[in-house]
Amino acid sequence: DIVMTQSPDSLAVSLGERATINCKSSQSVLYSSNNKNHLAWYQQKPGQPPKLLIYWASTRESGVPDRFSGSGSGTDFTLTISSLQAEDVAVYYCQQYYSILVTFGRGTKVEIK
Amino acid sequence: EVQLVESGGSLVQPGGSLRLSCAASGFAFRSYEMNWVRQAPGKGLEWISYISGSHSNIFYADSVKGRFTISRDNTKSSLFLQMNSLRAEDTAVYYCARVANGGNRAFDYWGQGTLVTVSS
Repeated sequence: DIVMTQSPDSLAVSLGERATINCKSSQSVLYSSNNKNHLAWYQQKPGQPPKLLIYWASTRESGVPDRFSGSGSGTDFTLTISSLQAEDVAVYYCQQYYSILVTFGRGTKVEIK
Repeated sequence: EVQLVESGGSLVQPGGSLRLSCAASGFAFRSYEMNWVRQAPGKGLEWISYISGSHSNIFYADSVKGRFTISRDNTKSSLFLQMNSLRAEDTAVYYCARVANGGNRAFDYWGQGTLVTVSS
């Protein structure tokens, strides 16, 4: 199985400041046939199911604010919240879907400082 | 509007069985691959099973292989998870999740989840 390692486990950021979450896969998730990274980011607020934010490592899902951005390729990826808002308090997960046996990172909890 | 609604979760004794359902609406269910994902209390997300639209391809995580069975009824737009030989470590919220279309295989819609508690 592809192991997804997220860091940090948690971070506290002031309102309006940048939040950066890292995700590393144990093998490349760049699919040669389409030259796309099979990597997604999800946001989960308390008591709610996960919500898809980013797919193909950097494509925002429809309706997701542009303060959320994804970057990276191969094995190293980043989710950035450019200006943290109160409603962004949540746990964020990366997921690889390179393998049909998808795997998730352990999650990063984002809080307000 | 796409909707996924899970049901069937409850308190069950170790060694017992349970069948979860996920009712889908708002999209052509038979055209979409589906998954079950679970989340133990206070823990992260764990993928547990996948089924293709035609149910010709099925996969399981090692943690549930041989005990859980995924199935679907495309005529009723429903997804199922038969869970046998339940253990305390199977206690979790169980979500059904749809695989996006067009080559993107991220999970674009999730249900609200149903809680399974395995305890004596």
